[in-house]
Amino acid sequence: GESVGLHLPTLSVQEGDNSIINCAYSNSASDYFIWYKQESGKGPQFIIDIRSNMDKRQGQRVTVLLNKTVKHLSLQIAATQPGDSAVYFCAEISQGGSEKLVFGKGTKLTVNP
Amino acid sequence: KAGVTQTPRYLIKTRGQQVTLSCSPISGHRSVSWYQQTPGQGLQFLFEYFSETQRNKGNFPGRFSGRQFSNSRSEMNVSTLELGDSALYLCASRRDRGLREKLFFGSGTQLSVL
Repeated sequence: GESVGLHLPTLSVQEGDNSIINCAYSNSASDYFIWYKQESGKGPQFIIDIRSNMDKRQGQRVTVLLNKTVKHLSLQIAATQPGDSAVYFCAEISQGGSEKLVFGKGTKLTVNP
Repeated sequence: KAGVTQTPRYLIKTRGQQVTLSCSPISGHRSVSWYQQTPGQGLQFLFEYFSETQRNKGNFPGRFSGRQFSNSRSEMNVSTLELGDSALYLCASRRDRGLREKLFFGSGTQLSVL
């Protein structure tokens, strides 16, 4: 089965709050992780990535945290805006045999004004 | 620079028919991947093409096939359509083959099988 999953399928936050979207993975051989954002009617869009030799990476208003001990990945969005409303997917590239990019099921983020 | 373009945007077919979906990657991108997206299964990898050759394949039946042309444009075909094939089909391109190359998605073709 899929090795990448999510703790919560939906998340609702108030505009201006910080959002945290979580992701669990089961393949300890995975060495590269990506977060995608998919807005309604569009394809997924790359947000940020992180390699397994890092535990934190920051972008513009977003931070990805990687905890390899518990195989957990999170995406933090600061000062969430209505335009952040979308489905967020984590994805991993697993090593061992042939590499493949595996997507999680997604978390729907709703930002309330 | 134009993004990944998929046509048609929407498609309605009946069981047993076949369908061809088209994808034009970002200019200069040589790798094209196809994904099926459904509410129940999420994003599932169909196949990847690079230099007109299928390089990787997901766990889909042989009714799902594809090809890539010399200009990197790609098509996927689904024969003998089943109700369960109703999904959003996403094409994605990357500059080169490496999985760590950034993947750019099109807006997809929404296929409904009646």
